[in-house]
Amino acid sequence: DQQVKQNSPSLSVQEGRISILNCDYTNSMFDYFLWYKKYPAEGPTFLISISSIKDKNEDGRFTVFLNKSAKHLSLHIVPSQPGDSAVYFCAASGRVEAGGTSYGKLTFGQGTILTVHP
Amino acid sequence: KAGVTQTPRYLIKTRGQQVTLSCSPISGHRSVSWYQQTPGQGLQFLFEYFSETQRNKGNFPGRFSGRQFSNSRSEMNVSTLELGDSALYLCASSLGTGYGNTIYFGEGSWLTVV
Repeated sequence: DQQVKQNSPSLSVQEGRISILNCDYTNSMFDYFLWYKKYPAEGPTFLISISSIKDKNEDGRFTVFLNKSAKHLSLHIVPSQPGDSAVYFCAASGRVEAGGTSYGKLTFGQGTILTVHP
Repeated sequence: KAGVTQTPRYLIKTRGQQVTLSCSPISGHRSVSWYQQTPGQGLQFLFEYFSETQRNKGNFPGRFSGRQFSNSRSEMNVSTLELGDSALYLCASSLGTGYGNTIYFGEGSWLTVV
């Protein structure tokens, strides 16, 4: 049962254009979402997050949008740069356990490989 | 400020052996969690520790265990290794376990079981 899905395994974009990475979730108890970027043989690097009380969060070239009714979020990178080429993971957390108090468990999507061509 | 540090970075073990991986969290972080990354299953949560107590556990067999020390450093242990345990094991740390928690990852420990 995949609770967080990234349906596009890969995305190819020209330098300077917008990259849009999508993520869907099924568990309505998720209320905090994060995006990570990962290079081969390295750990994931935190990019940006959004809480369920917002529908948009911006940080420089990165913007995350959240549509709670559709259980969908997206990461926009504008403008895209060749150095952005990596695997992008969407992750979700929430009080999904009965009586749980911890947000320390992240559920990840399968990742999208972004390639930005010069 | 130093990031999450994991040791060893690479190791090779034989089936049936056991392995211990170490993690030092970012200074001041009290929550440590562990994840396994494999090509087939992606990134999967193993367990989370806060104040030396396990707070959350993923769906892994009892061969996978962990602990946290009073200085927040953590270790995970895998006993009776199987070929399928070959993976990148990632440690992550955060200030606490509350809402809006940002979790930071280490470089990982590459385990190969032969």
